[in-house]
Amino acid sequence: QVQLVESGGGLVKPGGSLRLSCAASRFTFSDYYMSWIRQAPGKGLEWVSYISSRGSTIYYADSVKGRVTISRDNAKNSLYLQMNSLRAEDTAVYYCVRMWRLHDPAVFDIWGQGTMVTVSS
Amino acid sequence: QSVLTQPPSVSAAPGQKVTISCSGSSSNIGNNYVSWYRHLPGTAPKLLIYENNKRPSGIPDRFSGSKSGTSATLGITGLQTGDEADYYCGTWDSSLSAVVFGGGTKLTVL
Repeated sequence: QVQLVESGGGLVKPGGSLRLSCAASRFTFSDYYMSWIRQAPGKGLEWVSYISSRGSTIYYADSVKGRVTISRDNAKNSLYLQMNSLRAEDTAVYYCVRMWRLHDPAVFDIWGQGTMVTVSS
Repeated sequence: QSVLTQPPSVSAAPGQKVTISCSGSSSNIGNNYVSWYRHLPGTAPKLLIYENNKRPSGIPDRFSGSKSGTSATLGITGLQTGDEADYYCGTWDSSLSAVVFGGGTKLTVL
């Protein structure tokens, strides 16, 4: 079945960097916009960023703007999130998510299982 | 503080109906579609409703969505214990140029 699998999470010190990856399978990855969404412990869902199918359009949440870069490699069916200058408040489960409707950026139909990022000294 | 406002919790008995509200503004709900998600801790969230009131394939008609002005509502009828989860509304905010979610509502089926 359609699948998204995240990797790259882990424990990192404040100010450090981490690169998350998401491998997509069983659908035409290059046809879809993709997003990263996170959930901090005990908190709700927070959208982080999205990228258009060819990477020409990118948006970021204000909370991560300037510290995070989303990218994709359609030849490898992969989505990435480079996170720099990490802070304790970036601690969360990060989900790789497929955006289903081109005209509505808030419709997320396929979610990965998530990868945990912990920022702590 | 979330851009969209949801009640922290709702509860109802099995077989009953419950509604979950989601309140926003003209820059988000007022001029964009609303989606709803169910999330069980430790699992991936699931899309329940998109474009205010449409159900993806496989979502039973016990789930319904509506929107009026700057508010949206998720309805669940015939409650089952398996419906216990956190529910989130989401939409695009044209002023923020960002997807925004509500803070989530925990549903308890008593």
